[in-house]
Amino acid sequence: DAGVIQSPRHEVTEMGQEVTLRCKPISGHNSLFWYRQTMMRGLELLIYFNNNVPIDDSGMPEDRFSAKMPNASFSTLKIQPSEPRDSAVYFCASSFPQGGYPLRYNEQFFGPGTRLTVL
Amino acid sequence: AQKITQTQPGMFVQEKEAVTLDCTYDTSDPSYGLFWYKQPSSGEMIFLIYQGSYDQQNATEGRYSLNFQKARKSANLVISASQLGDSAMYFCATEGDNYGQNFVFGPGTRLSVLP
Repeated sequence: DAGVIQSPRHEVTEMGQEVTLRCKPISGHNSLFWYRQTMMRGLELLIYFNNNVPIDDSGMPEDRFSAKMPNASFSTLKIQPSEPRDSAVYFCASSFPQGGYPLRYNEQFFGPGTRLTVL
Repeated sequence: AQKITQTQPGMFVQEKEAVTLDCTYDTSDPSYGLFWYKQPSSGEMIFLIYQGSYDQQNATEGRYSLNFQKARKSANLVISASQLGDSAMYFCATEGDNYGQNFVFGPGTRLSVLP
């Protein structure tokens, strides 16, 4: 089975340019998460979707960041305009809902990440 | 809000020995899950082991086991018979009752296995 797919794997761009990161979650998973990882701040949750609906975007750093999930198999994270401080590894992860008895919280499956460098 | 503390920024262990990576958590949720992930130098995040707060037994997955002490709010990862390939960053994480929310990661522990 294919895991979470992210593209591009590496992106180098200049300050002020628009950057779009893409993610395809695992088929059947209905929760999707976007994370950012830096040395200084560790792993930060930016936004997550449940059934294609954004549930919590409180981690999105500012209005320059936006995320969409038009259908169950595709999501984008856009940065416009990009800044050097946005340089990081961006991970997408997906999971299927908690449930069952006893209640089971399900692990997230991560994509390989996109390494973004903004010059 | 939930919080994960990993007090060991770095750890060293001799190959074939066991090592314990510490994790303490803070949550007000009556029910929650605890997770450990491994991130090798290649960068991917690999799920290792899960413990539910109501699980009666400590979780085990091969050489990984979780020493879950609910009253102390700790969920330490034990790796037995360390291998060179175990050298990586290890992250503890928790998820609570707000569905899909509060999947919080700790700062991580870098484990180095020495030959």
